[in-house]
Amino acid sequence: AQSVTQLGSHVSVSEGALVLLRCNYSSSVPPYLFWYVQYPNQGLQLLLKYTSAATLVKGINGFEAEFKKSVTSFHLTKPSAHMSDAAEYFCAVRTGNNNDMRFGAGTRLTVKP
Amino acid sequence: GAVVSQHPSRVICKSGTSVKIECRSLDFQATTMFWYRQFPKQSLMLMATSNEGSKATYEQGVEKDKFLINHASLTLSTLTVTSAHPEDSSFYICSARGDGSITEAFFGQGTRLTVV
Repeated sequence: AQSVTQLGSHVSVSEGALVLLRCNYSSSVPPYLFWYVQYPNQGLQLLLKYTSAATLVKGINGFEAEFKKSVTSFHLTKPSAHMSDAAEYFCAVRTGNNNDMRFGAGTRLTVKP
Repeated sequence: GAVVSQHPSRVICKSGTSVKIECRSLDFQATTMFWYRQFPKQSLMLMATSNEGSKATYEQGVEKDKFLINHASLTLSTLTVTSAHPEDSSFYICSARGDGSITEAFFGQGTRLTVV
């Protein structure tokens, strides 16, 4: 079975600081990996996805993630945090023929002024 | 990206009544739809997967008689919570995938269900 583990349920950074949200995956086959952002009482918005093309994936809002097969990681980064980045972030892996997704536990990002 | 509309965004119902949540793909044909449940400060848990015209496949531990899923057309799936109880209060999110979208599904805005 495929799964993802997000390290750290809560990350706090200062505005302008580097954002690093960690995600490790477990998969017996090459995975499709995703990062989503969720604002309170809203659905999920796709930030970026890895689909076996370039290992460094650039997404919306200045986010990017690098697929590292050697350490089974897909960490999300942003060089400079903005107050509007405060939200819940989910890493997900696609699994199975029906293309359903399995989500990590989520990481709440807080941005301090 | 494609648009998935979920309705209602919030609903409050009395214990013992049933509530229907709709999930529509607005600009593509959704051959597969997924229903998730999210508890406060927790991740999304897949409840069931439905393919248009077929019976839904439920995840282990999800009561199919309580959470009725219908996917009668390529643009609409519904989740009906039958005989709702306060423990059914949660945030429900749908997502939809079309045949042409190999890698991702698109998510609705979610429905906050409160059973009183």
